[in-house]
Amino acid sequence: DGGITQSPKYLFRKEGQNVTLSCEQNLNHDAMYWYRQDPGQGLRLIYYSQIVNDFQKGDIAEGYSVSREKKESFPLTVTSAQKNPTAFYLCASSIGSGVSDEQYFGPGTRLTVT
Amino acid sequence: ILNVEQSPQSLHVQEGDSTNFTCSFPSSNFYALHWYRWETAKSPEALFVMTLNGDEKKKGRISATLNTKEGYSYLYIKGSQPEDSATYLCASMYDGLTFGKGTHLIIQP
Repeated sequence: DGGITQSPKYLFRKEGQNVTLSCEQNLNHDAMYWYRQDPGQGLRLIYYSQIVNDFQKGDIAEGYSVSREKKESFPLTVTSAQKNPTAFYLCASSIGSGVSDEQYFGPGTRLTVT
Repeated sequence: ILNVEQSPQSLHVQEGDSTNFTCSFPSSNFYALHWYRWETAKSPEALFVMTLNGDEKKKGRISATLNTKEGYSYLYIKGSQPEDSATYLCASMYDGLTFGKGTHLIIQP
């Protein structure tokens, strides 16, 4: 069964701690993305990667970091520098980074920082 | 950052009725317009990707049109069914996808 997995579904952390969200895909897609959703807002792009060992900042990259060491994995670290980390995080992938390449989404991770 | 607007924000429709909603996006630097359906407790799923002005795409009872010159796309659902209840997202491709806030559609039996 091909798809995108994100774990865990719910994550709780104390303020000041870094936390890493997992995203794995077995679709053999080159491109991967991280989005954040807040209440009343659209999905906002945090980081994206068009190919292994390469990634670019999205619209709201401050306070986040990513790595793309393997094609199938694109973990997102929420650092203590992120001022409002509590949110719903969605990972996605697409076969390429062409404008017509539809994105496939994971189930999401809800992060709560107190 | 692009500004993608969707209206209405939410919509209640009687089962069997047809409905439509709008996505507005900047017409300059247009590359592609994506529509996604996001059902509760599931992941967003792609409905359509449209690139050409005047393009019309259809999947079952759902269809979409695109006007790149004036910067809008319509999504139509014919004969709404309860399983159509979802949030419908549109996104304009420029430097990555910029999403609107979505239209939350509720089909009432």
